[in-house]
Amino acid sequence: DGGITQSPKYLFRKEGQNVTLSCEQNLNHDAMYWYRQDPGQGLRLIYYSQIVNDFQKGDIAEGYSVSREKKESFPLTVTSAQKNPTAFYLCASSKDSKVYEQYFGPGTRLTVT
Amino acid sequence: AQRVTQPEKLLSVFKGAPVELKCNYSYSGSPELFWYVQYSRQRLQLLLRHISRESIKGFTADLNKGETSFHLKKPFAQEEDSAMYYCALSDRNQFYFGTGTSLTVIP
Repeated sequence: DGGITQSPKYLFRKEGQNVTLSCEQNLNHDAMYWYRQDPGQGLRLIYYSQIVNDFQKGDIAEGYSVSREKKESFPLTVTSAQKNPTAFYLCASSKDSKVYEQYFGPGTRLTVT
Repeated sequence: AQRVTQPEKLLSVFKGAPVELKCNYSYSGSPELFWYVQYSRQRLQLLLRHISRESIKGFTADLNKGETSFHLKKPFAQEEDSAMYYCALSDRNQFYFGTGTSLTVIP
């Protein structure tokens, strides 16, 4: 069940600390995405990257940052500026920017206290 | 602006009964629409897409441009269909997901 992996599965942090969530894919996909999943709100796009060294803000990018230095990796940093960081975070990838189908990782549940 | 609307958060049907999960969208061009499903303790995965006009696990979905809808249907629900279903729209740059409908099939 490889393809796209996220680590860790559960993450706990103290308020005020930055935390980085890992996302790796071995599907040779060009595009990668980060979503936040909250109860009753579905999936909301945080950031996406259509190619290495390029990324764009999604609907809720405030308080988050990303990098795309390698095709396989798209880490997400939740900064202390994010007001409600506790959530389930999903990473996805797609073959190219045309976005015909997205493949999702298993997710990381972040709890900030 | 909300591009994808799923009006039902929860839906329960009896096994063997027909099921319809509603999805309406707002998009000015020619949308590409998808249904994703998340079974318990599994990752989110593609169920079907309108361009394929396929039936997956007995589910079908027809794009109705006049009503801007893409409802998911199955004539006879099975217990294993219990899951969270998300309707999604692609504008070829990114996806827009609905808020999801949790389907429970009662034995």
